Amino acid sequence: DQQVKQNSPSLSVQEGRISILNCDYTNSMFDYFLWYKKYPAEGPTFLISISSIKDKNEDGRFTVFLNKSAKHLSLHIVPSQPGDSAVYFCAARGNAGGTSYGKLTFGQGTILTVHP
Amino acid sequence: DTGVSQDPRHKITKRGQNVTFRCDPISEHNRLYWYRQTLGQGPEFLTYFQNEAQLEKSRLLSDRFSAERPKGSFSTLEIQRTEQGDSAMYLCASSLTFQGARYGYTFGSGTRLTVV
Repeated sequence: DQQVKQNSPSLSVQEGRISILNCDYTNSMFDYFLWYKKYPAEGPTFLISISSIKDKNEDGRFTVFLNKSAKHLSLHIVPSQPGDSAVYFCAARGNAGGTSYGKLTFGQGTILTVHP
Repeated sequence: DTGVSQDPRHKITKRGQNVTFRCDPISEHNRLYWYRQTLGQGPEFLTYFQNEAQLEKSRLLSDRFSAERPKGSFSTLEIQRTEQGDSAMYLCASSLTFQGARYGYTFGSGTRLTVV
């Protein structure tokens, strides 16, 4: 079963505009959510995380929003730059009371393309 | 620190052969994770270690797969009697136990395995 889902395989955005990447989850036993960026032939690079007790975390151009009631999180990139073009993965870490403790469960990824 | 190192970067092997991959984590990180990623999917958890102890193994890890982390330093992942379905990118990540989710697990660049 896919506990973390990214339903949009791709997103295309104009440079300077906002990119919004979405992620849904089904397991209430996740305590942290993370976003990673991945270029071809490289490993994922950590971008930003959010604890399940918060609803927003911001770091420079990146902001993550968490809506626990909807089991939904989103990553906002403002302003978008051509160098942001990559595959973006959301991931969730299970808490100590669940079966996913310690490991990350990833979504399928969204390909972001930022056009100049 | 140069981050998480994986060796080799690429491996082509014939079906039925054994292969071994190595991962050198960030030196002060006590947790080490192995993931597998296939085309169009997010990384899937295989196993993880805390120091030298292997704490969890995924159902994906058949008895042809074995992982070790002697002395809690580097780790090896061995696949015996490789099959074409084993072709994937094998990713290693490391973290500190209580800070990993907040600051992100650090991934290596991966080993691309092709079984012909």
